[in-house]
Amino acid sequence: LAKTTQPISMDSYEGQEVNITCSHNNIATNDYITWYQQFPSQGPRFIIQGYKTKVTNEVASLFIPADRKSSTLSLPRVSLSDTAVYYCLSREYGNKLVFGAGTILRVKS
Amino acid sequence: EAQVTQNPRYLITVTGKKLTVTCSQNMNHEYMSWYRQDPGLGLRQIYYSMNVEVTDKGDVPEGYKVSRKEKRNFPLILESPSPNQTSLYFCASSFGTGNSPLHFGNGTRLTVT
Repeated sequence: LAKTTQPISMDSYEGQEVNITCSHNNIATNDYITWYQQFPSQGPRFIIQGYKTKVTNEVASLFIPADRKSSTLSLPRVSLSDTAVYYCLSREYGNKLVFGAGTILRVKS
Repeated sequence: EAQVTQNPRYLITVTGKKLTVTCSQNMNHEYMSWYRQDPGLGLRQIYYSMNVEVTDKGDVPEGYKVSRKEKRNFPLILESPSPNQTSLYFCASSFGTGNSPLHFGNGTRLTVT
């Protein structure tokens, strides 16, 4: 049974780099790893997605090791507005999706 | 504007009274799915649909029904709600399946007394 595990919470200060790691022990061979961000009273929104090595966009970077059993979301120089819950997502089988329980990121000034 | 629309945003009901939460998307997405979000448990998939007339169970389907008669709509039905179904519900859609990013609605907060 696929299980997606991530830390419950993290604290950071403005301007720091934040790394959130997720483990996905049974990810499908052809599956991507996807991360979402959620603010209060809103649905999650897509941040970044990758298959292996490193992916970077205007918001974040995603690092995926060769065995693909984990991934690390990296947020450079966080600001107060990055305070949110971050979810990683993998696929169990077929099209059944398994989210991690979410990491609450608190950014302080 | 491309969006997933859920209604209602808030709903309070009593045990056993059938209810339907609607979900509609205007992006011509094939894949649609429902999730419930509970403290400490994150998002858990209830049901998903690969296309019209094709639905499958997710992780926590007990007590829920869905239908996909049209591509844009994917209603969630609680035939006999119980207090343990009090939760925050999200509908989401995506192109194709699996690896396509999900687009979420803004949620429906359901309270069953």
